[in-house]
Amino acid sequence: QKEVEQNSGPLSVPEGAIASLNCTYSDRGSQSFFWYRQYSGKSPELIMFIYSNGDKEDGRFTAQLNKASQYVSLLIRDSQPSDSATYLCAADGFSGGYNKLIFGAGTRLAVHP
Amino acid sequence: GAGVSQSPSNKVTEKGKDVELRCDPISGHTALYWYRQSLGQGLEFLIYFQGNSAPDKSGLPSDRFSAERTGGSVSTLTIQRTQQEDSAVYLCASSLMEYQPQHFGDGTRLSIL
Repeated sequence: QKEVEQNSGPLSVPEGAIASLNCTYSDRGSQSFFWYRQYSGKSPELIMFIYSNGDKEDGRFTAQLNKASQYVSLLIRDSQPSDSATYLCAADGFSGGYNKLIFGAGTRLAVHP
Repeated sequence: GAGVSQSPSNKVTEKGKDVELRCDPISGHTALYWYRQSLGQGLEFLIYFQGNSAPDKSGLPSDRFSAERTGGSVSTLTIQRTQQEDSAVYLCASSLMEYQPQHFGDGTRLSIL
């Protein structure tokens, strides 16, 4: 069973701080990794994807991938209360006979003023 | 439209009734996915379509659940003889190819009385 693991949180950070969200995956063959943000009562929204080892930056967001450690992280700089949401990590994995995205259960982030 | 469209947005029905949920994916996306999300829970994979074929039905919870996709586009998820435990948000996602980023619709909130 291919898995993606995340701490459920809540992760509480003060406004302006860096929020660090972490994810591990079990399938060493996974090549593609995604971060989704889900506000309460809303559907998941893709915010970042990363395919190569190292860092990928987009505005206040940085995704980090370490394939040797099977570890993906998302850093949010200058956190804002509007960043408060659940963040889902996903990795492609061969499961059920097909390559598809496997989602973690999500980490709830709370940014307090 | 530009995004994944789902209808209805809300559905309230009595236990034992059949319901149909519709998903219209992003134009040109060959892969289509159905997920279920219960209150406060993660995404539960239901079924995946590549074109009109459903190679992975492993997540369908019982034989009361079925889905089809026609013309490589619109998909319908049908739940027969609904039960209270079927109450959830049903999310549809599409992607260009099976392991590419998935884009979600706004979901159908299903409530079984």
